[in-house]
Amino acid sequence: NAGVTQTPKFQVLKTGQSMTLQCAQDMNHEYMSWYRQDPGMGLRLIHYSVGAGITDQGEVPNGYNVSRSTTEDFPLRLLSAAPSQTSVYFCASSFLGVLTYEQYFGPGTRLTVT
Amino acid sequence: EDKVVQSPLSLVVHEGDTVTLNCSYEVTNFRSLLWYKQEKKAPTFLFMLTSSGIEKKSGRLSSILDKKELFSILNITATQTGDSAVYLCAAINAGGTSYGKLTFGQGTILTVHP
Repeated sequence: NAGVTQTPKFQVLKTGQSMTLQCAQDMNHEYMSWYRQDPGMGLRLIHYSVGAGITDQGEVPNGYNVSRSTTEDFPLRLLSAAPSQTSVYFCASSFLGVLTYEQYFGPGTRLTVT
Repeated sequence: EDKVVQSPLSLVVHEGDTVTLNCSYEVTNFRSLLWYKQEKKAPTFLFMLTSSGIEKKSGRLSSILDKKELFSILNITATQTGDSAVYLCAAINAGGTSYGKLTFGQGTILTVHP
């Protein structure tokens, strides 16, 4: 199993550009989510999904879109990049079983918006 | 709105010291609490706590949950320089439209000096 993969690892954007961060998992996890991590802020939930076709907003959804057309993929779209979106982005997945909520994290994408 | 608060935000100790990290939460439909360790990369899973008063142990690390007082602690005994990391806790909401949603605390930065 490759686990959770994210691409790209690094990205530099200019203000106003759009892009998609890719996330894929091969563990048949129902739950997938996107977080951003800024210094001193822990991990803040952007969007999450409990299954294909179902998405919901987290704490900081503004400026980001997601879709979940398959169980495996959960891309995050930045519609019009802003410097405030400079951050490290982590994708995570897990089963939704009663006692099995361990999140598996991808390696992260470091995004800089100039 | 779900909330998780960790304390202290940072901690500096010497090898051999024992540390206690705190995590309090306010989460509707609380299901479980997770602890993670993060060393410059993606977080790695430490513990999941679901039942109150039952200690989880892994080597020098242990954790316990108090569902009445809404907090958890993570203890590290005989600290080593390799314990230096950010420690994150997260609470799981298992109800209604927020089913499966994780809320992370800000993290505690632990630095262990030789």
